[in-house]
Formats: sequence, C-alpha cells, structure tokens
Amino acid sequence: DVVMTQSPLSLPVTLGQPASISCRSSQSLVWSDGSTYLSWFQQRPGQSPRRLIYKVSNRDSGVPDRFSGSGSGTDFTLKISRVEAEDVGVYYCMQGSHWPFTFGQGTKLEIK
Amino acid sequence: QVQLVESGGGLVKPGGSLRLSCAASGFAFSDYLMSWIRQAPGKGLEWVSYISSSAGNTYYADSVKGRFTISRDNAKNSLYLQMNSLRDEDTAVYYCASMGYYDSSGHWIENVQHWGQGTLVTVSS
Repeated sequence: DVVMTQSPLSLPVTLGQPASISCRSSQSLVWSDGSTYLSWFQQRPGQSPRRLIYKVSNRDSGVPDRFSGSGSGTDFTLKISRVEAEDVGVYYCMQGSHWPFTFGQGTKLEIK
Repeated sequence: QVQLVESGGGLVKPGGSLRLSCAASGFAFSDYLMSWIRQAPGKGLEWVSYISSSAGNTYYADSVKGRFTISRDNAKNSLYLQMNSLRDEDTAVYYCASMGYYDSSGHWIENVQHWGQGTLVTVSS
C-alpha cells in the first residue's frame, strides 16, 4: 500500500498568519491517465471530513480561496494564506491513484 | 443535494454483530464505487472496505477481512456493512463515502467528495 506521510502532525498558528502542511507519498501518484489523485480533507471538531482540494490543486465548491494545494509526483503541500478561527481542525491528505486509497496520519491545526 | 445517511451503529459486546446501512440520494449512486471508512476515537481515518458499482468487486482491510461483508442494493440506493465477530478495536465512527465512477468512455473519475455524518460503533463488555 502507498504510505502517506504528513508533517507537521501538530501546527499551532497565530490568527491571520499563513500555514503550510506537507504530504509525501511512498511512490509517485501520477496515474496512467496522467492525472495525480491527491486530495486534502478538513475535519472540524465533531464533524465529518470535508474535501477541500482534489487532483492536487483544484478547490471544491465553497472552499475559500485562502486554501491552495500544490505539488507533484510524491511531494505535496496544502497552504492556508491567512488562518481564521474556523480553520481549526485536523487536515488529511489522501491518495486516490493506487488501490487501496490511503490517508496521511492527519495534521492538527490549532490557534496559538 | 447529495446526502449519505448512515444508521445501525450502537453498543455491542465483543464477539457480537451489527449491520450498518447507508442511504444515498442526490447523485448517481448506482454508478459509484462506494466505501466504508472508520475513525477510532482520537485517531485518523482508515479505509475499511469498498465495493464496485455492480457489487462484483470488493476490498477489505486486513484488519476486518473474514469478519466484515460489504454489500449494496442499487435499486434502494443503499450501502451496507455486515460486521461479525466484533472486537474492542473495531470501536469507531463508521463513515459511508463515495469513491468515484467510470464515465461513459470507461475513464476512472476519482471522487471521494461525498461523506455521511457517521455512525458510532462501540464494542465493549
């Protein structure tokens, strides 16, 4: 199975400051059709996970533009340009290029 | 709008059984591969099982293989998870989630966008 490794696992951030989460895969996530199926999910306390980003850099409908995704191959990043209070929660990367799909361990974002 | 509504969770003794259900609406359920994902208290997300659109193919995590059975009824837009021989470590919130579908050209479209609210399974004596 593809191992997804996130860092950091804990991310204290001051309101209004940027935040960045790294996700590395144990093998390339470029699929046979040329697409890279790397998604980012946000899980607020007490809620179900919500997808923010799909195929590395595409924001889902309703996701604020302060969230952005980038990367290629095996290295990916989720960036929040200015953290707001509602961004508190756990963020997961997920690969959908190889069966079975796998998640990273999660990064807990909290306000400093 | 898209809805996935899980039910069937509860408290069960070790060795017992439960059947989870997931009712889907608002999207082409019969076209989608569907999955169960679980989250133990304070832990991360773990794929438990998934099933192809026609139910012809299934996958199980090693931790549940031989004990859990996934199934679906496309006529009822419903997904199921039969859980037998439950263990303490199966205690978790279980989510129903979409995985993706094959378009009319046979191309895979990954889409893990739709999630239910989850149902809590507690295994304890």
